[in-house]
Amino acid sequence: AQTVTQSQPEMSVQEAETVTLSCTYDTSESDYYLFWYKQPPSRQMILVIRQEAYKQQNATENRFSVNFQKAAKSFSLKISDSQLGDAAMYFCAYETNSGYALNFGKGTSLLVTP
Amino acid sequence: EPEVTQTPSHQVTQMGQEVILRCVPISNHLYFYWYRQILGQKVEFLVSFYNNEISEKSEIFDDQFSVERPDGSNFTLKIRSTKLEDSAMYFCAIERGGFGGEQFFGPGTRLTVL
Repeated sequence: AQTVTQSQPEMSVQEAETVTLSCTYDTSESDYYLFWYKQPPSRQMILVIRQEAYKQQNATENRFSVNFQKAAKSFSLKISDSQLGDAAMYFCAYETNSGYALNFGKGTSLLVTP
Repeated sequence: EPEVTQTPSHQVTQMGQEVILRCVPISNHLYFYWYRQILGQKVEFLVSFYNNEISEKSEIFDDQFSVERPDGSNFTLKIRSTKLEDSAMYFCAIERGGFGGEQFFGPGTRLTVL
């Protein structure tokens, strides 16, 4: 079965600090994309960052960056200079070329404290 | 401006009733998806729709579910005979580029089955 594992149900970070959310996945496909989505209390799903599996360079989007370890099937999200607005559920997901559906993990709830 | 809207935002129905959830993309898209999220759980894929036909569906998407684009614009999800366990947030997502493209999620419809 193809799965996504987020081993941290909850994380907490102080404002302006850095936090890393972990994600591992298991797929037999060689061609896939990885995503991090943010879900604030409004429950709207918002794309944070995307990584193409065939690219070795880690993706970055402003304060958000990933550590992609393909051999280990690991895809962690680093949030630098955390802000109160970063508080949300964060979901890791992947998409394979055999079907474009997103396969999500169970999520990590991030709390940002002043 | 959001890429996609969904109506209604909240639907309350009696068990056994039919419901239709609507997704309205702002501009032309090729790929449409329905996902659901039971409260406190992960987002689960239901079905994808491309070129006016189902391209992929999950085990959740059984005979009580159907999708269509009745007027070439709106994208609907019909649940024929709702069950208590159908209570969830239902998200429509749209995508332009196919594999690896960003899926834009709608704000969701909260379905409550009594």
